[in-house]
Amino acid sequence: GQQLNQSPQSMFIQEGEDVSMNCTSSSIFNTWLWYKQDPGEGPVLLIALYKAGELTSNGRLTAQFGITRKDSFLNISASIPSDVGIYFCAGRETSGSRLTFGEGTQLTVNP
Amino acid sequence: GAVVSQHPSRVICKSGTSVKIECRSLDFQATTMFWYRQFPKQSLMLMATSNEGSKATYEQGVEKDKFLINHASLTLSTLTVTSAHPEDSSFYICSASRHVGGGGEKLFFGSGTQLSVL
Repeated sequence: GQQLNQSPQSMFIQEGEDVSMNCTSSSIFNTWLWYKQDPGEGPVLLIALYKAGELTSNGRLTAQFGITRKDSFLNISASIPSDVGIYFCAGRETSGSRLTFGEGTQLTVNP
Repeated sequence: GAVVSQHPSRVICKSGTSVKIECRSLDFQATTMFWYRQFPKQSLMLMATSNEGSKATYEQGVEKDKFLINHASLTLSTLTVTSAHPEDSSFYICSASRHVGGGGEKLFFGSGTQLSVL
């Protein structure tokens, strides 16, 4: 079945540092979505990507849809304490098909 | 952005009782909603796909008689956990799919419901 590998599993960084996390899939996707989840809350959509090579920013966040259509990365620049949370990637193979979620990256930012 | 409202946010019930969780899309119509279950420090596990006006599609291993899903309108889906037991204690999250320009789709999530069965 579909496999989605997200790494790293966790990160501990200092405030102000840049962060990068990525996801790779075993098959081709036509959609990549990145979410952030705070404890006890539902995931919040950060960035949506629909085309291979697409690079999209949302404030200090930047995400790219890999050219091979099997990977995506999320960068956070100049991290701040409120960036703490779990970041999930999610991908979809075809329109209308179910989303597959990565296992998440737990980000901790030390002030 | 689109808003999905989920209630209640937290519920504690006795073993053997049933619990209903509501999921509403507030500013768009959602023909498809999804119900997930999440255990601590784990990813989201899809339980079922809720289709407006038709039966829900359940993932393998999810008991349809245990987790009743009703999607009676384009803005409301409900999940009822019947005869709840302690092992049903979990974080349940709903989501709604919204089509955006260019043929893309975005999935928006509710705030989740923490179910604790005593």
